[in-house]
Amino acid sequence: DTEVTQTPKHLVMGMTNKKSLKCEQHMGHRAMYWYKQKAKKPPELMFVYSYEKLSINESVPSRFSPECPNSSLLNLHLHALQPEDSALYLCASSQEPSGTAYNSPLHFGNGTRLTVT
Amino acid sequence: AQSVTQPDIHITVSEGASLELRCNYSYGATPYLFWYVQSPGQGLQLLLKYFSGDTLVQGIKGFEAEFKRSQSSFNLRKPSVHWSDAAEYFCSIKAAGNKLTFGGGTRVLVKP
Repeated sequence: DTEVTQTPKHLVMGMTNKKSLKCEQHMGHRAMYWYKQKAKKPPELMFVYSYEKLSINESVPSRFSPECPNSSLLNLHLHALQPEDSALYLCASSQEPSGTAYNSPLHFGNGTRLTVT
Repeated sequence: AQSVTQPDIHITVSEGASLELRCNYSYGATPYLFWYVQSPGQGLQLLLKYFSGDTLVQGIKGFEAEFKRSQSSFNLRKPSVHWSDAAEYFCSIKAAGNKLTFGGGTRVLVKP
């Protein structure tokens, strides 16, 4: 069982839709992440939040909008996506924030399988 | 910038045989290294991690990895593979800015 919960598990959306992916953890972790994973590829970092503030944006298009309402929740708002955005979106969390020791591993959720039609 | 290379895209092994997955990294300072496993349609599960100290690290599910600074390697091993070990394995390095960078992955197939 994963300690990072992602909803929904599957999402199909049209290019004009607006939807949101949700992620929740109750481990007291202060860093949270969004990764995108295409088929047969490794995960690619999109965003990092540390203490509920955006610390890393890997030049992600503005049609992806992250939000961290509190230390346990992380959302990814989607708008006007393209078919090439279809992928597995993974949320993760880790114990320490950016700028301090880097040795805390990431804990991943099972992901949201997104299909854009 | 840090990087990780996994030279083997696929490995096929017989059940009960030993397994070794290769990982080479590039980083200018002390690396923080991890191995993750991903079953189809699932997230990533941490197998083991290396920060410092003993260069032979034990993980879950009977896996171990050895850090060799002179070879910039962090190879994963298991003495006897089970059918449930069929999955994708990712070596990764964590560096400045809390960024975790993954290698390309190695898909392990287990023959009966």
